[in-house]
Amino acid sequence: GENVEQHPSTLSVQEGDSAVIKCTYSDSASNYFPWYKQELGKGPQLIIDIRSNVGEKKDQRIAVTLNKTAKHFSLHITETQPEDSAVYFCAASKGGSGATTKLIFGTGTLLAVQP
Amino acid sequence: KAGVTQTPRYLIKTRGQQVTLSCSPISGHRSVSWYQQTPGQGLQFLFEYFSETQRNKGNFPGRFSGRQFSNSRSEMNVSTLELGDSALYLCASSLYGRTAGADTQYFGPGTRLTVL
Repeated sequence: GENVEQHPSTLSVQEGDSAVIKCTYSDSASNYFPWYKQELGKGPQLIIDIRSNVGEKKDQRIAVTLNKTAKHFSLHITETQPEDSAVYFCAASKGGSGATTKLIFGTGTLLAVQP
Repeated sequence: KAGVTQTPRYLIKTRGQQVTLSCSPISGHRSVSWYQQTPGQGLQFLFEYFSETQRNKGNFPGRFSGRQFSNSRSEMNVSTLELGDSALYLCASSLYGRTAGADTQYFGPGTRLTVL
């Protein structure tokens, strides 16, 4: 069945260091991979996404890489800041024009950035 | 542009009661999805609506139902509440259609349901 595994479950880094979160998906038909950041008491906020026709995407301090062959995708945050502390979720879907928007989520990573 | 809004933000109910949650999508968005978030099960897909029709449904019992109105606003209903239904219920909206990024989902703040 559809499944997304996410590691690690918790990650503690010093301010200024980099953080990497990794996900593996099971459904080879998945073609859309968003990452969400969820702060306490709030809904998930989209921070970056990538589609299967792209291997890497970057937005300032955040980057995502995708390896379709291995069915892996990763989130990279550079120069971490205390405000990056939150729970991060990866997700996968068979999205695309006119397709379902159903997301299968990973179990989340609690990132703590120590000042 | 206003984001996804959900009402109410907090609800306390007792076992056996029913509850209705409301979601207003981002203006112009035509698809609404619902997710349940619990510490034990994480984020799980409930259902997806487009053009007042349910397009997809997750693995939840029939006590969970939903609908979408002609203005794209959506409601979900849970009947005969159980203790295990305590969760954060999240609504997400997307543009939907055959344009790039039309499936990108934006979440609301959620409704925190507590069943006593």
